[in-house]
Amino acid sequence: DSGVTQTPKHLITATGQRVTLRCSPRSGDLSVYWYQQSLDQGLQFLIQYYNGEERAKGNILERFSAQQFPDLHSELNLSSLELGDSALYFCASSPLTGIRTGELFFGEGSRLTVL
Amino acid sequence: SQQGEEDPQALSIQEGENATMNCSYKTSINNLQWYRQNSGRGLVHLILIRSNEREKHSGRLRVTLDTSKKSSSLLITASRAADTASYFCATASYSGAGSYQLTFGKGTKLSVIP
Repeated sequence: DSGVTQTPKHLITATGQRVTLRCSPRSGDLSVYWYQQSLDQGLQFLIQYYNGEERAKGNILERFSAQQFPDLHSELNLSSLELGDSALYFCASSPLTGIRTGELFFGEGSRLTVL
Repeated sequence: SQQGEEDPQALSIQEGENATMNCSYKTSINNLQWYRQNSGRGLVHLILIRSNEREKHSGRLRVTLDTSKKSSSLLITASRAADTASYFCATASYSGAGSYQLTFGKGTKLSVIP
């Protein structure tokens, strides 16, 4: 158990809909990262938050947005869903020093299926 | 975009044999990390090697890094059926504003046959 909690584990929805994925980082970790894993694209970095502020942006679509709340949990919002958005969405957290000196701790992921 | 590219994409070996996976990358890095993912589960960190290190060991794992060739290898010795998983290399690079980004390759799928 990494200590990172993601909900829901599975989600099935229709094209055009909007969903919210939730992540609670490990106790004490200030950084939260979101990744998308699909068969054809592999693991793609979406966005990073540090202590409530956006720190880095990757290949995140404009239809997607995220935020980190004062209690450090984070939410990833996916809107106007398309079939190609079907993927595993991972949240990861890291302590203060982050990637430079250590590892990311991953949650078990939220599997999104868009029909 | 993928920074690391693992080779081979898939590897099948007998229990007890050694497994070697390679990773190549394109830009300068701060460190390189290897992760393991069991089917449909989250990634688990295995080992980190810094850009000024050449080799590192952790239990049955041995990682090498050649920054001149921009490549790394992961060796798992005396493999077990429980080692069956996908293995990813991830490169850590400075992305500005005091932040580092971890970029993953597409992984090597290892099957260890009992």
